[in-house]
Amino acid sequence: NAGVTQTPKFQVLKTGQSMTLQCAQDMNHEYMSWYRQDPGMGLRLIHYSVGAGITDQGEVPNGYNVSRSTTEDFPLRLLSAAPSQTSVYFCASTPSGTDTQYFGPGTRLTVL
Amino acid sequence: DQQVKQNSPSLSVQEGRISILNCDYTNSMFDYFLWYKKYPAEGPTFLISISSIKDKNEDGRFTVFLNKSAKHLSLHIVPSQPGDSAVYFCAAGFSGSARQLTFGSGTQLTVLP
Repeated sequence: NAGVTQTPKFQVLKTGQSMTLQCAQDMNHEYMSWYRQDPGMGLRLIHYSVGAGITDQGEVPNGYNVSRSTTEDFPLRLLSAAPSQTSVYFCASTPSGTDTQYFGPGTRLTVL
Repeated sequence: DQQVKQNSPSLSVQEGRISILNCDYTNSMFDYFLWYKKYPAEGPTFLISISSIKDKNEDGRFTVFLNKSAKHLSLHIVPSQPGDSAVYFCAAGFSGSARQLTFGSGTQLTVLP
């Protein structure tokens, strides 16, 4: 198993540009989540999904969209990037019946 | 309002000694707690967890203690090793709702050889 994979590892955007951060897992986990990590603030939940076709907002959803068309993939879309979205983004997945989240390696995003 | 707080941004410990990392929470409804370890340029990795029905959980060199009345948990690492140097995050949630973890801001542990 590759576990949770994220692409790209690094990305630089200009204000107003859009992009999609990719997340995939090959463990057949039902739950998937997106977090952002900012200095001194730990990880904050952006969006999550409890299964294919079902998504919901977390603590900091503004400026981000998600979809979950398959169990494996959970992309995060930035519609119009802003400097405040400069952060490290982590995707995580959780098998049903447990509360342990497994994280991907992260995407470091810089918005100029 | 931070519901999960790690008040020590950093901690240095000599190799072989005990490391104690602390975490406080404010939401008494949390009933599941986890510790994650993070190396630079990697995602957090799960370390150990504890349910609110217990006050201690042990896994090798790692022990987590939960004091529900004080809303406090701690992670003990004995003996500490240089490879333990990392950022440690505590997280809290509601059992059965894995999607709703609230994380602390992390503590950078440095184990000195």
